[in-house]
Amino acid sequence: LAKTTQPVSMDSYEGQEVNITCSHNNIATNDYITWYQQFPSQGPRFIIQGYKTKVTNEVASLFIPADRKSSTLSLPRVSLSDTAVYYCLVGDGTRDDKIIFGKGTRLHILP
Amino acid sequence: EPEVTQTPSHQVTQMGQEVILRCVPISNHLYFYWYRQILGQKVEFLVSFYNNEISEKSEIFDDQFSVERPDGSNFTLKIRSTKLEDSAMYFCASSARGQETQYFGPGTRLLVL
Repeated sequence: LAKTTQPVSMDSYEGQEVNITCSHNNIATNDYITWYQQFPSQGPRFIIQGYKTKVTNEVASLFIPADRKSSTLSLPRVSLSDTAVYYCLVGDGTRDDKIIFGKGTRLHILP
Repeated sequence: EPEVTQTPSHQVTQMGQEVILRCVPISNHLYFYWYRQILGQKVEFLVSFYNNEISEKSEIFDDQFSVERPDGSNFTLKIRSTKLEDSAMYFCASSARGQETQYFGPGTRLLVL
């Protein structure tokens, strides 16, 4: 699995757009980029996955530049309930791989 | 929407006792996993299970741990003789196939006294 680097923590305010960037310089051709969210005392939850360009779902958008060496998770108009840890993961998903979680980005939304 | 369920939500046990944590994965999923998270630390992989056998296990998953799929719906994690350092949240996860989109349960909080 490719190594990822993301901010340890971020603060933002309700109603703002939050962008969390993840670096993955050694991403392989077959690798996908996946983001999980974990609320306190809950299990991680899949948010979004992409390979290139832009992916959008009801929760977030994922922007991936052409070189794929980074990706940005964008949360539109956050609320207090978006306070969570966000994990960026990179892998090819062709095997029954374990997920290696890093420390993630601890996002704190302020009123 | 289908979801992974886990029981119990909380378990308190004495050191040296056996505990069994139970999980019901999403019904059409074929790959099953256990992870744990010690308070304030990262989520750590324990074991993956496919086709009724262990696919991979971590160093944490020593002889005190075992997994079983006793029937078509349940997936269990047994700790034979609990230690204080086994206190953690234990998460079960499942996926339809071998891929990183795993669906996690709400966890069991285990406290070993």
